[in-house]
Amino acid sequence: GAGVSQSPSNKVTEKGKDVELRCDPISGHTALYWYRQRLGQGLEFLIYFQGNSAPDKSGLPSDRFSAERTGESVSTLTIQRTQQEDSAVYLCASSLYRVGQPQHFGDGTRLSIL
Amino acid sequence: GESVGLHLPTLSVQEGDNSIINCAYSNSASDYFIWYKQESGKGPQFIIDIRSNMDKRQGQRVTVLLNKTVKHLSLQIAATQPGDSAVYFCAENELGDDKIIFGKGTRLHILP
Repeated sequence: GAGVSQSPSNKVTEKGKDVELRCDPISGHTALYWYRQRLGQGLEFLIYFQGNSAPDKSGLPSDRFSAERTGESVSTLTIQRTQQEDSAVYLCASSLYRVGQPQHFGDGTRLSIL
Repeated sequence: GESVGLHLPTLSVQEGDNSIINCAYSNSASDYFIWYKQESGKGPQFIIDIRSNMDKRQGQRVTVLLNKTVKHLSLQIAATQPGDSAVYFCAENELGDDKIIFGKGTRLHILP
C-alpha cells in the first residue's frame, strides 16, 4: 500500500500480558516515529528511528516499553506486563528525512487493557 | 517544560464560514510548525507546515499564520465544509531535536 500500515487495528488483552504492535512505514522513508495518544489527548512521543542510527528512546515511559526496527523497514513496539494505564491508541509515523519534513501517520492500534 | 497548547478545545462554525484555529507555543527555539487534521478513528493527516523564516503560507483553502513575536500560530480554513469536521493539532519542532511536540487539539464542529 501507499501509506503507513499498522497492525493490529485493535487489541484487547488482560493486565499483565505482553503485546506487540507492528508498523510498516512508507517505502523509502528513513525516519519512523511511535506516539501514544490517550483518549481526548494529544500525541505523546515515544521513540524515533532514523536509518541505522541509534534510536531516540527518550519518550518511552518505562522499561516495560521497547521498540525495534530492522533497517528502514518494519518496526515493532512491545509492551511487557501491560497495565491499565497503557490503554491508548498507539500511532506510527514515517517521513523521508529527519524533522523538517511532514510525517505520514498510520491509523494506529487501539490497545485496551482489561 | 516547553509545551504547545491550544486556546479553545472546541470550535463551532457555520458551514460556509471561515474557521480560525489558534495555537500558542512556548519554545522560542521552535523553527518548524505543522498543522494536522485527525478524523475519528484515523491517524493525523498533514495539512500544512511553515518554517520560522516565514509568517504566512497558503495551501488549498487553508492558510497558516505564524507570529514569532507572541509565539502564536493559527490555521485558517476558508469556506468551511462538513468534511472539515475533525480535531486539529498544531505541532512544533526545534532544529536539531528529533521530537515533534503536539498540542492537545481543537475539535472543529460544523453547524448546518
